[in-house]
This record gives sequence, C-alpha cells and structure tokens, in this order.
Amino acid sequence: SSELTQDPAVSVALGQAVRITCQGDSLRSYYASWYQQKPGQAPQLVMYGKDNRPSGIPDRFSGSSSGNIASLTITEVQAVDEADYYCCSRDSSGNLWVFGGGTKLTVL
Amino acid sequence: QLQLQESGPGLLKPAETLSLTCVVSGGSINNSPYSWGWIRQPPGKGPEFIGTISYSGTTYYSPSLKSRVTMSVDMSKNHFSLKLRSVTAADTAVYYCARPQGDSSWGWFDPWGQGTLVIVSS
Repeated sequence: SSELTQDPAVSVALGQAVRITCQGDSLRSYYASWYQQKPGQAPQLVMYGKDNRPSGIPDRFSGSSSGNIASLTITEVQAVDEADYYCCSRDSSGNLWVFGGGTKLTVL
Repeated sequence: QLQLQESGPGLLKPAETLSLTCVVSGGSINNSPYSWGWIRQPPGKGPEFIGTISYSGTTYYSPSLKSRVTMSVDMSKNHFSLKLRSVTAADTAVYYCARPQGDSSWGWFDPWGQGTLVIVSS
C-alpha cells in the first residue's frame, strides 16, 4: 500500500508565502490533488494535476511536483487561508486512493 | 452544477450494518465514464479512502475495509450507496460521498457531499 506524508503543522506570517509538502512513492507516478478543510466543513479541492486550480480558487494557490514530493504553495497568505490541508493521490495500483495525514496551517 | 448529499442513520450499535446513500443532483449518475466514491474522516484525523464504484458497477475497495464493504448504484433513483458490516467504534467518522475524476496519470475528488456523522456506540 502507499502512504503520503505531510508535516503536521506549518505556520506563516500574514502576507508571506508558505509551501506545504506531501511525500510518497505514488507521487512518482501520479499527480497529487490538494484539499482545504475548515472546521465543520467538507474538504474542498484547491489544486489538482500538475498545477490546476478549480474555478473560484485564487491564483495565490499553486502546485508543483518533483520526484516523490508534491507541493502546494500559497503566496500572500491571508487569514482566510488558515485551515487543514490534505494531499491525495492514486496509489501504485492506480485504482485506489490514499490521503496524507494533513497539515494544519496557522496564519500569524 | 453537480451536487452530492449523504443520508443515513447517525447512530449505530456495534456489530450493526452502516447503510448510507448519496443522492446526486444536477446530473445523471449513469453518465459514462463517471465513477462515484466514499471517503470517511474519523474525528480529529485525516480523510480515509473507502472505495469507488463506476457507472457500470465496477468496484474498488480499500484493502483494510474490503471484507466488510459493499457499494452499489441505483440509476433509477440517481443515487449510490455504501454498506459497511459489523461496525465497531473505530468506524465512527464523518462519511463523505465524492466524485473521483481524472485519468491514468492524475485524479482528484470533486465535488464532495457535506458529510454525515456516524457514531458507533453501545
């Protein structure tokens, strides 16, 4: 089975940039997707594929991938960006999916 | 715009069967090549993939749950369902339905339902 590893917590000053990473063997074969989750809400897709943002997601959000590491970068972080962020990808079989443990982003 | 909505009992006793339904609105569930998925999130933890089912009925289940899970699609009602047998307290979670998208090199889940909390307690 595959695993995706994320740093449990990251903090960033208001207006600065932050990169959230996700590491796993499956990322060598499949792009990650990224989800933002605020308390009491369902996860919301914020990034998918190489660097694709769903409609309504600001261009402060960008994605990248290298080897077995996928990254979500948020520039000019705003207070509204404070949330849990989860990565996800297909597993090595391509038919199943795996989620990372999540990164709690705190905006200072 | 496609929308998903979960429904089902919120409280179960150990050993019972969890049964949830996800109603699809704003689109047809039998559109090829759509698949449909279930994901759960225990309190305070990250999401966990449960499985997916295609419009044709092909299923893929998480190995850790495979022995207890059954998914099905009801095209006449435009919904799909999840059954999880022999539940324990460890199955307590918010259960989400979501649509997996993408092809062989990428994938994502969108949209998601709002989620329904299922508590297993005696």
